[in-house]
Amino acid sequence: QQQVKQSPQSLIVQKGGISIINCAYENTAFDYFPWYQQFPGKGPALLIAIRPDVSEKKEGRFTISFNKSAKQFSLHIMDSQPGDSATYFCAARWGGSARQLTFGSGTQLTVLP
Amino acid sequence: DVKVTQSSRYLVKRTGEKVFLECVQDMDHENMFWYRQDPGLGLRLIYFSYDVKMKEKGDIPEGYSVSREKKERFSLILESASTNQTSMYLCASSLYVAGVRYEQYFGPGTRLTVT
Repeated sequence: QQQVKQSPQSLIVQKGGISIINCAYENTAFDYFPWYQQFPGKGPALLIAIRPDVSEKKEGRFTISFNKSAKQFSLHIMDSQPGDSATYFCAARWGGSARQLTFGSGTQLTVLP
Repeated sequence: DVKVTQSSRYLVKRTGEKVFLECVQDMDHENMFWYRQDPGLGLRLIYFSYDVKMKEKGDIPEGYSVSREKKERFSLILESASTNQTSMYLCASSLYVAGVRYEQYFGPGTRLTVT
């Protein structure tokens, strides 16, 4: 199965709060898990990524938590800001020489001031 | 900075028309992709190309074709546009390097409306 399931579809958080977006996958052949951020009128852009041999990756206020046994990974945005309001996509790449990404369905995050 | 440009931001076409969406990247990337983005469905891969004149079907190729005559340019063709092809179309490019951070760079998208 190439699917990546993402939840929730939308999320509203107060400024300063923690935003959490979850993704799950079935195929153990995936070897790379990026998160993309998309602002209105723009194309998605890589935000942060993790490989399955690492349980956590942190870049500034953004953290990926990865649970290989559960086949789940999540994005945590600490101290969420109105400027973080965007659509977030998780994705996964097949191993080996694969170039394609399989994307989740997206989460529209709104951070209230 | 990598730049991926798409020929139109907005396009309105009639049912049955032949539609060309053009994408150009300026970083000599070997891989190029076409996605469509629909609410609640995320990004779905239509076609991709890993070299000039090479193409592979993605998850939803029906009703679409592609052309890659030059490395920097990847075109998506709707042979006979239908209303269910109304969508946002995103082009992306990437340079594949094994074992390191892998990134696809996206253009701003073309919002196509078929009436």
